[in-house]
Amino acid sequence: GNSVTQMEGPVTLSEEAFLTINCTYTATGYPSLFWYVQYPGEGLQLLLKATKADDKGSNKGFEATYRKETTSFHLEKGSVQVSDSAVYFCALLLYNQGGKLIFGQGTELSVKP
Amino acid sequence: KAGVTQTPRYLIKTRGQQVTLSCSPISGHRSVSWYQQTPGQGLQFLFEYFSETQRNKGNFPGRFSGRQFSNSRSEMNVSTLELGDSALYLCASSLELEYNEQFFGPGTRLTVL
Repeated sequence: GNSVTQMEGPVTLSEEAFLTINCTYTATGYPSLFWYVQYPGEGLQLLLKATKADDKGSNKGFEATYRKETTSFHLEKGSVQVSDSAVYFCALLLYNQGGKLIFGQGTELSVKP
Repeated sequence: KAGVTQTPRYLIKTRGQQVTLSCSPISGHRSVSWYQQTPGQGLQFLFEYFSETQRNKGNFPGRFSGRQFSNSRSEMNVSTLELGDSALYLCASSLELEYNEQFFGPGTRLTVL
């Protein structure tokens, strides 16, 4: 079936450290891929997206590249801040399933000053 | 432009009761999707509505139902509540067929005692 697997958290980093959160997917066809972020007590915010292979999504210093050959969409940031502390969700969307997003389990990130 | 709003934000019910949650999409958005978020199961798709019609449905029992009104506002109903229905219920809205840009509300936190 269609699914998303993320690295387990929590991930704890010091401010200005490099961040990688791994995400791999299984899907029939060619999905669109997303990273969403959830701050405490809030809903989800779209962080970045990529709709076809080799696309790179980027926003607020975060980047992820759609790798069809490895079915991956890893999230990276060169220098994290305390304000980046949140839960990050990788998700996929199949073109023939309307608005149904399939999410990974989420990875909690904690950034210490 | 106002974001997606959900009411109420918090709700406490007892087993066996029923509950109705409301979601008002961003103005102009006609597609509304609902998700259940729990620590154990993560984010799971419930259903999607467009133009007052259910377009897609997740794998939930018939106790979970929804509807959409002509102004695109949506409600979801859970009947005969069980302890396991305690969760954060999120709705997301998007423009017609623009599923790559879904905007989430803050959620309704339902606690079943």
